Amino acid sequence: DIQMTQSPSTLSASVGDRVTITCRASQSISSWLAWYQQKPGKAPKLLIYKASSLESGVPSRFSGSGSGTEFTLTISSLQPDDFATYYCQQYNTYPWTFGQGTEVEIK
Amino acid sequence: EVQLVESGGGLVQPGRSLRLSCVASGITFDDYAMHWVRQAPGKGLEWVSGISWRSGETAYAASVKGRFTISGDSAKNSLHLQMNSLRAEDTALYYCGGSSGTTGWAIDSWGQGALVTVSS
Repeated sequence: DIQMTQSPSTLSASVGDRVTITCRASQSISSWLAWYQQKPGKAPKLLIYKASSLESGVPSRFSGSGSGTEFTLTISSLQPDDFATYYCQQYNTYPWTFGQGTEVEIK
Repeated sequence: EVQLVESGGGLVQPGRSLRLSCVASGITFDDYAMHWVRQAPGKGLEWVSGISWRSGETAYAASVKGRFTISGDSAKNSLHLQMNSLRAEDTALYYCGGSSGTTGWAIDSWGQGALVTVSS
């Protein structure tokens, strides 16, 4: 199985900060990577697909980059609504696998 | 608007079986692949199983292979997960998810989840 490793596990930031989360795959997944946001008690929400494509309706402050084994999710200016847990997921090869999550908390 | 609604969760004893269902509206099943993703209490997301209607391909996580079976009826827009030989570690909120070619097959639609508790 492909292992997905996110860093950091927890990130403390302030409103307006630029935030970057990293995701590494244990083998190449080309660009078959998605990013999800999850808030407590809610289902995950797709933010980014194919590593860098913004899902419809998602604010443009979210962006994704990378290919192969190294990927990043960037929030250009953190907003109050962005405090949540973020997961990367590879869908290049079954079984699909998620990273362990990154909790973005208020500093 | 896409809507996915899960049902069938509950409390079950270890070793017993349970069947989850998911009914979809607002989508054409044939254009989607469908998945089950679970989240144990306080833990992260784990992809469990997926099915592609067009190819008939099914896939499973190693942790459930041989115990869980995914199936569905595209005419009824319904998805199922038959869970046998349940273990305490299967306790989780089970989400039904749909992925389409529009998003390169990432999971772009999610239900609200069905809670499965495995305990004696």
